[in-house]
Amino acid sequence: TQLLEQSPQFLSIQEGENLTVYCNSSSVFSSLQWYRQEPGEGPVLLVTVVTGGEVKKLKRLTFQFGDARKDSSLHITAAQPGDTGLYLCADSSGNTPLVFGKGTRLSVIA
Amino acid sequence: EAGVAQSPRYKIIEKRQSVAFWCNPISGHATLYWYQQILGQGPKLLIQFQNNGVVDDSQLPKDRFSAERLKGVDSTLKIQPAKLEDSAVYLCASSPQGSFEAFFGQGTRLTVV
Repeated sequence: TQLLEQSPQFLSIQEGENLTVYCNSSSVFSSLQWYRQEPGEGPVLLVTVVTGGEVKKLKRLTFQFGDARKDSSLHITAAQPGDTGLYLCADSSGNTPLVFGKGTRLSVIA
Repeated sequence: EAGVAQSPRYKIIEKRQSVAFWCNPISGHATLYWYQQILGQGPKLLIQFQNNGVVDDSQLPKDRFSAERLKGVDSTLKIQPAKLEDSAVYLCASSPQGSFEAFFGQGTRLTVV
């Protein structure tokens, strides 16, 4: 089971600012997922990336998969209070069940 | 489409007591997961079912935790006896056959005092 490291652990920013959070692994992902978890709720899938160098956009969120498929980033443009939550990356490679990182807890202040 | 249903939402018990959680996955989803999420951490897999068979229970503390998925639909997770360190949110998730997208329930927040 590979370990996923997410950084930063906590992030507090003002509304309208941009931010980037990271997910890194010691080994190669076959595919990687990003989830957002709001307080009192279960995680909700945002995106799955499978190809090295892949970039996916979801409104103001941009997801990038590293060329070597060992790291990924999530960039949020013009953050809004509704973006507040715990951002989790998960290894969704093949035959293993989902393994999650510890997450980045984002707080966007109005 | 109804989502993953879990009950209860909250439970407070004393240490050494027993507790059970229930999960009803999305209709037709073959895979069911139970995760434990301790405050400030990401979810940790406890057990994965494929239909009514166990695929992975390597991180389930089998001396006190048990889970079953009768008829490949609903599932229950039991803790007996509970310890203080079992305080956490217990999340149930399900996935369609051949997919790795997990759909999560709202979780059960367990507090052991």
